[in-house]
Amino acid sequence: QVQLLQSETEVRGPGASMKVSCKAFGYTLTTYGINWVRQAPGQGLEWVAWIGSYNGDRKYSQRFQGRVTVTTNSSTNTAYLEVGRLRPDDTAVYFCARENQWLPDAFDLWGQGTMVAVSS
Amino acid sequence: QSALTQPVSVSGSPGQSITISCSGTSSDIGTYNVVSWYQQHPGKGPKLVIYEATKRPSGVSDRFSGSKSGTTASLTISGLQVEDEADYFCCSYAGDITFYVFGTGTRVTVL
Repeated sequence: QVQLLQSETEVRGPGASMKVSCKAFGYTLTTYGINWVRQAPGQGLEWVAWIGSYNGDRKYSQRFQGRVTVTTNSSTNTAYLEVGRLRPDDTAVYFCARENQWLPDAFDLWGQGTMVAVSS
Repeated sequence: QSALTQPVSVSGSPGQSITISCSGTSSDIGTYNVVSWYQQHPGKGPKLVIYEATKRPSGVSDRFSGSKSGTTASLTISGLQVEDEADYFCCSYAGDITFYVFGTGTRVTVL
């Protein structure tokens, strides 16, 4: 079954860093791009970053410049989102979402989400 | 770049049709014909229901349809069913600096 399975809840203090994983099943991760989208409690969706298929190009939302890194590991078919210098307003559910070249600029497969809580 | 504007809530009775609007600007919806719509049930990841403003992915009910005019996109759900009760978000590409902007979200309630 084609799916994206994300890592479990993370709790961090302000200033710390976190790394969320997103493992692909049923397809080869690097044949599609992966986007990261977050949703603060009770709020809407916010695009965070993208890593492209094959060549690994990266794009980041200006709001997170310098604090966010996206990577993939082809041997484990897993994508990662790392956020540093965490702030309380980074508390959110973080989703990975597949970019499908046949469905331009749409995210056709989503992970179940990873809750990241930032609190002192 | 501000979020796209959607109504907070829309409701309808089973079998009725409802329409959700998504208002953007000339920097996003008005320039790019790649509006997508997502359905999200509580505690779940979003599901793609419309892409490129009017197209339905394989497996999505034909009760879902999309349209776009100028800087506003719309999602229509016809023959409303109980399982359609969820949050709905629009999304548009917004250029090579902002990349993607989402809507504020609409809660659909089936009465």
